[in-house]
Amino acid sequence: DQQVKQNSPSLSVQEGRISILNCDYTNSMFDYFLWYKKYPAEGPTFLISISSIKDKNEDGRFTVFLNKSAKHLSLHIVPSQPGDSAVYFCAASKPSYDKVIFGPGTSLSVIP
Amino acid sequence: EAGVVQSPRYKIIEKKQPVAFWCNPISGHNTLYWYRQNLGQGPELLIRYENEEAVDDSQLPKDRFSAERLKGVDSTLKIQPAELGDSAVYLCASSPLLPGRPKNIQYFGAGTRLSVL
Repeated sequence: DQQVKQNSPSLSVQEGRISILNCDYTNSMFDYFLWYKKYPAEGPTFLISISSIKDKNEDGRFTVFLNKSAKHLSLHIVPSQPGDSAVYFCAASKPSYDKVIFGPGTSLSVIP
Repeated sequence: EAGVVQSPRYKIIEKKQPVAFWCNPISGHNTLYWYRQNLGQGPELLIRYENEEAVDDSQLPKDRFSAERLKGVDSTLKIQPAELGDSAVYLCASSPLLPGRPKNIQYFGAGTRLSVL
């Protein structure tokens, strides 16, 4: 039973355009959501997060949107750069609990 | 500041052989995690430590997997005996306890890629 879903295994975007990565979750108890980025042969690195009390969080070129009623979040990257090419994992956790549930990831390719 | 260090980076063994992975977390991080990542999937938690104590090992296959974190610093994950299905990347992560900062942000090592033949 996959609680965090990323239904697009891969995405290709032209440099300079917007990248939109989507994530859906099934457990309404999740209250904190994170995005991690992973380059080949490296471990995932934290990118951006959002609490369920917010619907948007922005950090430079990266913005995460949360729609609690739809149990959906998305990561927007504007403008996309070739260095953004990586696998992006959506993750979620419940209140006061360290266990983080990861989605399967979306591989983003930004084409110069 | 040094990141999470894992060794070895790669390991190839035959099935039924034992294997061990080592992790040194970021200095001062009291929480340590071991994850397994299968191809095309996200990391899945195997065990979480708070200092020396394993506080969540519900996903650790205890018949063949064991872990320890002596002195609450570095940690070792062992598989004995290994099976073909254990081929995966084993990731170690650590996180700090900082006031006002969510505990959920974890810092990952580069992982150990295990191939069981």
